[in-house]
Order: sequence, then structure tokens, then C-alpha cells
Amino acid sequence: NAGVTQTPKFRILKIGQSMTLQCAQDMNHNYMYWYRQDPGMGLKLIYYSVGAGITDKGEVPNGYNVSRSTTEDFPLRLELAAPSQTSVYFCASSRGDRYGYTFGSGTRLTVV
Amino acid sequence: TQLLEQSPQFLSIQEGENLTVYCNSSSVFSSLQWYRQEPGEGPVLLVTVVTGGEVKKLKRLTFQFGDARKDSSLHITAAQPGDTGLYLCAVQTGANNLFFGTGTRLTVIP
Repeated sequence: NAGVTQTPKFRILKIGQSMTLQCAQDMNHNYMYWYRQDPGMGLKLIYYSVGAGITDKGEVPNGYNVSRSTTEDFPLRLELAAPSQTSVYFCASSRGDRYGYTFGSGTRLTVV
Repeated sequence: TQLLEQSPQFLSIQEGENLTVYCNSSSVFSSLQWYRQEPGEGPVLLVTVVTGGEVKKLKRLTFQFGDARKDSSLHITAAQPGDTGLYLCAVQTGANNLFFGTGTRLTVIP
């Protein structure tokens, strides 16, 4: 049971560079989410998707973009990386709005 | 003011001790979830409580949802080193937004 798979696990970016964080789930969940976790700040929702072709902004979307071309994949794109985007990024999926989330193991991103 | 206040922020106890951590709010929620997060991993769902006054048990962990559905507690009996981690409570705030508290970081010393 793979669940939610995130790659890469670690990445260092220079200011202004771009990258895509990959997320894939094999549970046929319609709902997928991207969160960032900063020390002492809890998890903040960046973007979410309720199904293929549908995405929407969460609480902290600035500086990020997403796409959802298939049920399985939900990549997060960072354009023009900034030090404020240094964080741990978690992808999650769910059967629906009132169900528990299954999280990936995270991507630790440092922007220098 | 945070929507969810978790206390204590940090807790360090000896193996075998009992402990309780809290998740409080001034808002009413239809349900509340508890997660545990270990270092280098994502949060893992422990339980969902939906009814005011509800008590759920998961081995040595007991979860309670307040009568008014504004708060919840997690009690661990005879803590073990494997219980070490960050305990997060979370609530649904509108469609498709699970809001997390900042967590209680528990360390159980062998």
C-alpha cells in the first residue's frame, strides 16, 4: 500500500529558481491537498483539488501553482523561489470533505 | 487569536506516566480530528469525533469531544516511548479546508 507518495524528500533551491513537487496517490481519492508546515505554525493549506481538472486556492496560495490532470497526480509548482518558501510541504488525499486525510511523508525545501 | 489552541505546547514525561493534552476553541464544530506526526513523516489520523460528549478509545489513548463541541482532550495511559510525537487536532472550516492547531509535542523518556 503506497498511499500518498511525495518526491523529492529534500531539495535546496536558489532564490529565483523554480521547481515542481510531485505528489501521487493510489487510493482513487478525489480530494487532494497541499499544505506547508513551518515550525510552531501548524499546517497551512496552499491549494486543494476536488477532482481531476478542478483546483482552488487555500489559505496561502501566493507563489505557488497546481494542476490536476489525473485523479492520481497533484503536482505543486514553485515559480521564482523565495526564502519565505523554505518549509516542509505535505501532500494529502481524502475520500471527501468529512473524511480523514492521508498524508505523504513530506518534502523539506530550503531556499537560499 | 488562533482558531484552535492546543496545550501544553511541549510535554516531557517518564515512561509509564499518564498525560492529557487539550484542544480548545471558542467556536462550535461538527467534528474534530486528532493526528499524530512523527519526525520526518506526515501526520497520521488517529480518530474523528463527531458527537458532543463522545468518548473514543484507541488502545491506551482516550479521546473526548466536549459536550458543546468546542473542545477536545486526548488522554494517554501508561505512556510509552513509541507515543513520542507531535499531536495535532484539526477541524473542518468551510468546504475543503481542514484547519490544524499548532500541536503538542510529546516526549516520553524511557
